[in-house]
Amino acid sequence: YELTQPPSVSVSPGQTARITCSGDKLGETYTCWFQQKPGQSPVLVIYQNSKRPSGIPERFSASNSGNTATLTISGTHSMDEADYYCQAWDSSTAVFGGGTKLTVL
Amino acid sequence: EVQLLESGGGLVQPGGSLRLSCAASGFTFSSFAMSWVRQAPGKGLEWVSGISGSGGSGSGAITYYEESVKGRFTISRDNYKNTLYVELSSLRAEDTAVYYCARGGEELDHFDYWGQGTLVTVSS
Repeated sequence: YELTQPPSVSVSPGQTARITCSGDKLGETYTCWFQQKPGQSPVLVIYQNSKRPSGIPERFSASNSGNTATLTISGTHSMDEADYYCQAWDSSTAVFGGGTKLTVL
Repeated sequence: EVQLLESGGGLVQPGGSLRLSCAASGFTFSSFAMSWVRQAPGKGLEWVSGISGSGGSGSGAITYYEESVKGRFTISRDNYKNTLYVELSSLRAEDTAVYYCARGGEELDHFDYWGQGTLVTVSS
C-alpha cells in the first residue's frame, strides 16, 4: 500500500497551505499527520482524520475523503516550515507517505 | 509527562546484530501498543515493527513487522521494566537509520509520543 505526497509545497506567511496525501480508498480509514523539523522527532498534529492533539494550534486542520487526505494550515507561520508526513494503516502495517517539505517564504 | 528514551544504537558491521531499548515513563506502559519507526539519513519515515499492549511481563503480546525486516528483527517488551526492545540481526547497509520508538502500534492507533531516536549505522 502506498501513500503519495507532493515533495514540496511553498506558501507565503499568513496564507493557507494545503498538503495532499493520496492512496487507494484512503478515505475508508483513519489518516494521521506528523510534523518534523530538522534534527527533531516527529510530532503528531492530526489524528483520526481531523482531530488535533492537545497543544496543536487551531490553524492545523485536515480532511479525508475518497482517495485523498488533505492537511490544511491556515494563516501559516514561519515556524510551520517543516516536513509533513501522512500515515495510515493497511493490514496491521503502518504506512507513511514520502513526506512534503513545506517552505514558508 | 510521557517520556520515551531510546538507547543501544551504534556502528555495526554488515551481517551483525544490535539490540535497541526504549525506556518508557509517565504512562501505564503495559496498556499501550508500541512501535519502532526508522528514518534513513535524508529520507522519510518508515514503520518497522509494532507490538500490542499486554498484561504480565509482555511475553504474550502480538507482534507485527514490515515486510523487509521479517525474520531479521524481533520486537519485544518487558512490562515490569517499562521497556520496549528490538533485536536487529543480519543487518544491511540499508538498515542504517535513526530508530525511533513511538507509542501506538496496532491498527487504527496513532503515534502520539515519540522518543528522540537512536542512530544505527551499518558499515564495514
